[in-house]
Amino acid sequence: DADVTQTPRNRITKTGKRIMLECSQTKGHDRMYWYRQDPGLGLRLIYYSFDVKDINKGEISDGYSVSRQAQAKFSLSLESAIPNQTALYFCATSDLIVQYFGAGTRLSVL
Amino acid sequence: QKEVEQDPGPLSVPEGAIVSLNCTYSNSAFQYFMWYRQYSRKGPELLMYTYSSGNKEDGRFTAQVDKSSKYISLFIRDSQPSDSATYLCAMSSGYSSASKIIFGSGTRLSIRP
Repeated sequence: DADVTQTPRNRITKTGKRIMLECSQTKGHDRMYWYRQDPGLGLRLIYYSFDVKDINKGEISDGYSVSRQAQAKFSLSLESAIPNQTALYFCATSDLIVQYFGAGTRLSVL
Repeated sequence: QKEVEQDPGPLSVPEGAIVSLNCTYSNSAFQYFMWYRQYSRKGPELLMYTYSSGNKEDGRFTAQVDKSSKYISLFIRDSQPSDSATYLCAMSSGYSSASKIIFGSGTRLSIRP
């Protein structure tokens, strides 16, 4: 089984809809992250959490929110999806430096 | 100017060739340097991890860090078609809550059989 599991793997939604992407990890790490990946722009950090009570904005947090339900679970919500949020989304977890990524969620907003 | 610059490629080389992938950076506080490999439709996976300057070798892969030039490299010897992937460099100044990992945009590599 994968150390970092993301659901769903693919999602198509319409403009204005609220959607949630979920992430769970079995590495036992405290730190979790959400990134989006766009062609030519690499990985950009949306939100990160260093423990259950700690949530921090990344460089592109506008339009997104997160919830850290437990050490192992970190979900990302798009409150009102817009087409420029179409991207590949990755969840990651780390001990201190090295990050372990999930397989990604491909999101399309029509 | 981005903190980390990486040539996006694509880079295409014949099987067996030596591949050199590079990143430059501007933040002199970076101390931890990583290379991730990402296959199509997969998440990035750690390939190499080095601290501060110097070389590190792991099988066919060698990571090199030159902090004086703010330049890091990944060399792949005897390249194989299975090495075809996107390679992302990443770096960080530390592991405190104030430090973040900054990724390069990735270089797409193709090894021709």
